[in-house]
This record gives sequence, structure tokens and C-alpha cells, in this order.
Amino acid sequence: DGGITQSPKYLFRKEGQNVTLSCEQNLNHDAMYWYRQDPGQGLRLIYYSQIVNDFQKGDIAEGYSVSREKKESFPLTVTSAQKNPTAFYLCASSILHRVGANEQFFGPGTRLTVL
Amino acid sequence: AQSVTQLDSQVPVFEEAPVELRCNYSSSVSVYLFWYVQYPNQGLQLLLKYLSGSTLVKGINGFEAEFNKSQTSFHLRKPSVHISDKAEYFCAVSDPNTGGFKTIFGAGTRLFVKA
Repeated sequence: DGGITQSPKYLFRKEGQNVTLSCEQNLNHDAMYWYRQDPGQGLRLIYYSQIVNDFQKGDIAEGYSVSREKKESFPLTVTSAQKNPTAFYLCASSILHRVGANEQFFGPGTRLTVL
Repeated sequence: AQSVTQLDSQVPVFEEAPVELRCNYSSSVSVYLFWYVQYPNQGLQLLLKYLSGSTLVKGINGFEAEFNKSQTSFHLRKPSVHISDKAEYFCAVSDPNTGGFKTIFGAGTRLFVKA
């Protein structure tokens, strides 16, 4: 089955630690995205990537970093510089450059809690 | 910049009653419009999308939405709600003129279904 996997499902971190969230897709999609979800605020875009070895900041990139070394993988690192990292993190992917084919497909999410 | 407003943060409804979840967007140009559903602790799933053509769009699980360009609205409806429809619903918009791949999400509407 094609889809997006995120791991781990739950993650606990001590203050001051960096942590990396995994996102893998086997849909052969060009674009990948990371969102942060907080109650009552919907989804906010952290980073996105249209192609391997290239990515752009979204609306709330401060305190986060990403890499895109392979088409199917887009890991997100939450650094100690992120002041309030406790949230639900969603990874998504989509096709590019086809009219209408731009709906996003989402992974199951990772819930990060800072202790 | 585009924005999406979901007019109700929570909507309570009795089982088998009709429901409408309201969404307005801010754009005077052509847009792609989407409704996604999120069940607790899961990622988002696409319910339906409007790209062009007929203004009435039918989706999965008996949902439909109507695109109204003059009112810049894309309200989601279901004639008879089931207990399993209890979830959070997100309206989203993307701009075809910028590649259509970056999507702006509303804050979400939580649907509560009462037996």
C-alpha cells in the first residue's frame, strides 16, 4: 500500500535536547511538507520541499531544521531553540506540476511532548 | 495573502440531522478548494475538492460542498449525520497561479454528534 509513515507516534523530550521526527513516503510525490498543529490554530506550515536537496521555510520555521537527501524522506529536527515545541506534527506530500493533482496526503502524525 | 475562515469552531448536531460547516476564503482570483477530515490522533484525509467546473462537489462519506464565487464561500454539508462523523474538519485553499501546491488551512471546525 502506498502512503506516508511517521515515526515515532509519541515522543518525549527533555528541555534543551534536539529531536528528529521521521517522515517517509512511497507515493513518488515530488513535494513534501511539515506542519505543526496546536488546538484551535489549525495547521501551520514549518518547511516544505519541492525537490531533492532543496527546501523552503514556511510560516513558523524558527527553531526547526529539515533535510531532503532522498525523494521519499523528509526528516524534521526540532532544536533546543524552539521555545514551545510541544505539539502534534504532521508530514504531508503532494504531486507537483499537474493541473488539479495538488491535494496533500498526510501521515498519521507525531505527538511531541517536552518534559 | 490568502486566508481561510471557518466560521464555527464547534458544531453540535443530533445524529441523523443535517449539518453545514461554513468556510469563507479571501481571494478574488481562481482558487482550488478542499475539505479535509481529521479523526482523533490521526492525520488528515481528503473529503472533497473543487478545482473547476460544477459548483456542487460530492465527496466521500456522503458529504458535499458548494462553491460560491460571489460570496467566496465553500460550505460543507451532509443531509444526515452519523456518529462516526464526529471529527475535526478543515477547509483549505491553494492558488493555481503559484503552482497550486502550497495550501492554506483554516483553524478547523469540531463536529460533535449527539445520539
